[in-house]
Amino acid sequence: AQTVTQSQPEMSVQEAETVTLSCTYDTSESDYYLFWYKQPPSRQMILVIRQEAYKQQNATENRFSVNFQKAAKSFSLKISDSQLGDAAMYFCAYRTYNQGGKLIFGQGTELSVKP
Amino acid sequence: GAVVSQHPSRVICKSGTSVKIECRSLDFQATTMFWYRQFPKQSLMLMATSNEGSKATYEQGVEKDKFLINHASLTLSTLTVTSAHPEDSSFYICSAGTGGNQPQHFGDGTRLSIL
Repeated sequence: AQTVTQSQPEMSVQEAETVTLSCTYDTSESDYYLFWYKQPPSRQMILVIRQEAYKQQNATENRFSVNFQKAAKSFSLKISDSQLGDAAMYFCAYRTYNQGGKLIFGQGTELSVKP
Repeated sequence: GAVVSQHPSRVICKSGTSVKIECRSLDFQATTMFWYRQFPKQSLMLMATSNEGSKATYEQGVEKDKFLINHASLTLSTLTVTSAHPEDSSFYICSAGTGGNQPQHFGDGTRLSIL
């Protein structure tokens, strides 16, 4: 079975600085998807960025980028120029190609942004 | 963009009551919907996969007689918590996808409190 591990329960960053959130996963599959979701206090799940495992190029979305290391099964999220609105819970998630595409989430990292 | 509507957003009821939560895809057809449960400060745990026109697939440890799932159409899945007790109090959130490499879209969640 696949597992997702986020080893940083809490992280803090100064406004305008850069922060990296870690995520590792375990799978025997070669094709899959990886995601980072943001969950603010409202508890909405907001998709931040996604990566297809077959793509070697790291995904980027404005201030958000990932470092995808397939051999190491690592998928970290870098937030540049952090803003107060980035404060939230961040979840790393794995999605299988099969089994209907269910998501397996990591434990989450709570990010605080200091003004 | 794709919108998933979840209703109600908040329920408070007495122990022994059955509670129904609806998850609707508003502008797309979803052959598969997912139901998650989230305790405070914890991650999302998949409860079941809801398939249109067939029985739901429950994750290990989830009581299918307690959590009834119906996916009667391509735009609606319902989760009924039968004879709810205080330990069923939690945040329940659904998601829906169009399949393939498209990301899932989440509802805004339902906060269930059983007194």
